[in-house]
Amino acid sequence: QKEVEQDPGPLSVPEGAIVSLNCTYSNSAFQYFMWYRQYSRKGPELLMYTYSSGNKEDGRFTAQVDKSSKYISLFIRDSQPSDSATYLCAMSGPPGGTSYGKLTFGQGTILTVHP
Amino acid sequence: DGGITQSPKYLFRKEGQNVTLSCEQNLNHDAMYWYRQDPGQGLRLIYYSQIVNDFQKGDIAEGYSVSREKKESFPLTVTSAQKNPTAFYLCASKTPGGSSSPLHFGNGTRLTVT
Repeated sequence: QKEVEQDPGPLSVPEGAIVSLNCTYSNSAFQYFMWYRQYSRKGPELLMYTYSSGNKEDGRFTAQVDKSSKYISLFIRDSQPSDSATYLCAMSGPPGGTSYGKLTFGQGTILTVHP
Repeated sequence: DGGITQSPKYLFRKEGQNVTLSCEQNLNHDAMYWYRQDPGQGLRLIYYSQIVNDFQKGDIAEGYSVSREKKESFPLTVTSAQKNPTAFYLCASKTPGGSSSPLHFGNGTRLTVT
């Protein structure tokens, strides 16, 4: 079983839809949670970063972390064609732990927003 | 502009040949990483280096080698011992700060071995 599971999709939605992307994980030591966006033939770029449980909002993007359920989500409101990309969740543990300094990634979800 | 430069963007090699992928950063980051990306498998860590002249194996180091002689450079050699070398290779770096600092990625090298 992978440490981080992410539905690879692909996910296709109309412009303006609300998109929900999710990851589950098994390592309870994970404390730092990130979402990266990757356009085709490019490197991933950091989209959202959260520490421990809770919500974080940045414009049309909201990241949620539920540590009790080992579940994280990324919501995209009013989705745009320019949001079409692969979205990768990533997480890591605290200093001193086995996952210190390293990120563990989900498989990535391919999202297409069509006009 | 500060960033991570990976070269070349596309690389073709015949089976049995070693090949070296370049990664240079001008972000003054201490830590550098190499990931491999395959369809449906996300990113898997090959090697990482927290400081010059030191590096550690990641989850899939077999068939790969690295060096870290300069802070700015972290080249990856894909050896003939790597059974499935065709993949998209991503180099990344970050500031010290362990888990709390995010990774910055280059735009990758797509390696095709035939």
